[in-house]
Amino acid sequence: NAGVTQTPKFRILKIGQSMTLQCTQDMNHNYMYWYRQDPGMGLKLIYYSVGAGITDKGEVPNGYNVSRSTTEDFPLRLELAAPSQTSVYFCASNNLAGGSNEQFFGPGTRLTVL
Amino acid sequence: AQRVTQPEKLLSVFKGAPVELKCNYSYSGSPELFWYVQYSRQRLQLLLRHISRESIKGFTADLNKGETSFHLKKPFAQEEDSAMYYCALSGPTSGTYKYIFGTGTRLKVLA
Repeated sequence: NAGVTQTPKFRILKIGQSMTLQCTQDMNHNYMYWYRQDPGMGLKLIYYSVGAGITDKGEVPNGYNVSRSTTEDFPLRLELAAPSQTSVYFCASNNLAGGSNEQFFGPGTRLTVL
Repeated sequence: AQRVTQPEKLLSVFKGAPVELKCNYSYSGSPELFWYVQYSRQRLQLLLRHISRESIKGFTADLNKGETSFHLKKPFAQEEDSAMYYCALSGPTSGTYKYIFGTGTRLKVLA
């Protein structure tokens, strides 16, 4: 299993540009999450999904959109990038079907908006 | 309100000294509690969970339901323990399942 994969690893955007951060998991997890981690700070939840076709806002959703058309994929869309969106973005997934509820994280995407 | 509080943003200790990273939570019910660790420029990974009651890399954490705490402890810190540590809880809320992370504590172990 590859676990949770994210692309790209790094990206530099100009103000006003848009992009999609990709996230894929091959563990058949029903829950998926997007977090941002600003320099020296903790995690903040952007959006999450409890299954294909179902998404919900986290604590910092403004400026982002998500979709969940399949169990495996949970892309995060940035429209009109702003310097405040400079951060490291982590995707995570977990499953609630018995056992422990561990979240598995991707390697992160480091985004800079100039 | 459901919340995970890590009161220390930064904790510096000398190598060989004991370490205690504090975590308090607020949750109506019986959540599952976790500690995650993030080493420099790496992804977050699970360190330990309260239900397994195990010691990982010398770290232990005891769930105190009376004080709603889940502090992480290690008797003798090592330089390789320097990392960001997150406390988290998970539990059912309003028909869905919530996963809440604390703001994290950066541990620096000094030589």
